Amino acid sequence: GQSLEQPSEVTAVEGAIVQINCTYQTSGFYGLSWYQQHDGGAPTFLSYNALDGLEETGRFSSFLSRSDSYGYLLLQELQMKDSASYFCAVPLYNQGGKLIFGQGTELSVKP
Amino acid sequence: DVKVTQSSRYLVKRTGEKVFLECVQDMDHENMFWYRQDPGLGLRLIYFSYDVKMKEKGDIPEGYSVSREKKERFSLILESASTNQTSMYLCASSLSGYNEQFFGPGTRLTVL
Repeated sequence: GQSLEQPSEVTAVEGAIVQINCTYQTSGFYGLSWYQQHDGGAPTFLSYNALDGLEETGRFSSFLSRSDSYGYLLLQELQMKDSASYFCAVPLYNQGGKLIFGQGTELSVKP
Repeated sequence: DVKVTQSSRYLVKRTGEKVFLECVQDMDHENMFWYRQDPGLGLRLIYFSYDVKMKEKGDIPEGYSVSREKKERFSLILESASTNQTSMYLCASSLSGYNEQFFGPGTRLTVL
């Protein structure tokens, strides 16, 4: 089957760096996306990696290793507002725009 | 900015009622999706549509149907609501292929 695994929860302190890992098992692979969802809010797109390596967007970076079927989201200089759930997602191969999502990692940022 | 709107933020219905959830996007996106989100289960795809009048089942289509008569509008229908359909329902749209999905604010449905 096709699946994504990520930790259910992570806790870190303000100003720290945190890494949220995602491993995937899919038949065919296009790339790995990350979404952020605040409590009670809608998921919002953060990043997409189609190629190996690190992509940086401000305080957030996302990494992909296709050979290891693994990626991570790196959040630097954590702020209280970063407390949210983070989902990794992959497009299903040859199935149009369908995504399969991980179960989400709840990040708690403490003062 | 892409805007995806859903007809209600909160909805309470009785078992056996027919329920309509509506979603509208304003950016001419081809793809539209309905998900349900439950604690510990993440986002699960119910149905999606890649064109007007076209639809495909997702992972959990049982008990649901959909309608897409116009490109901008995608409706989710619960033919006979049951208590196990109490959930958060999220609509999303994307331009095409594997582009990012834009989500609506969600409808929290309670079936009593």
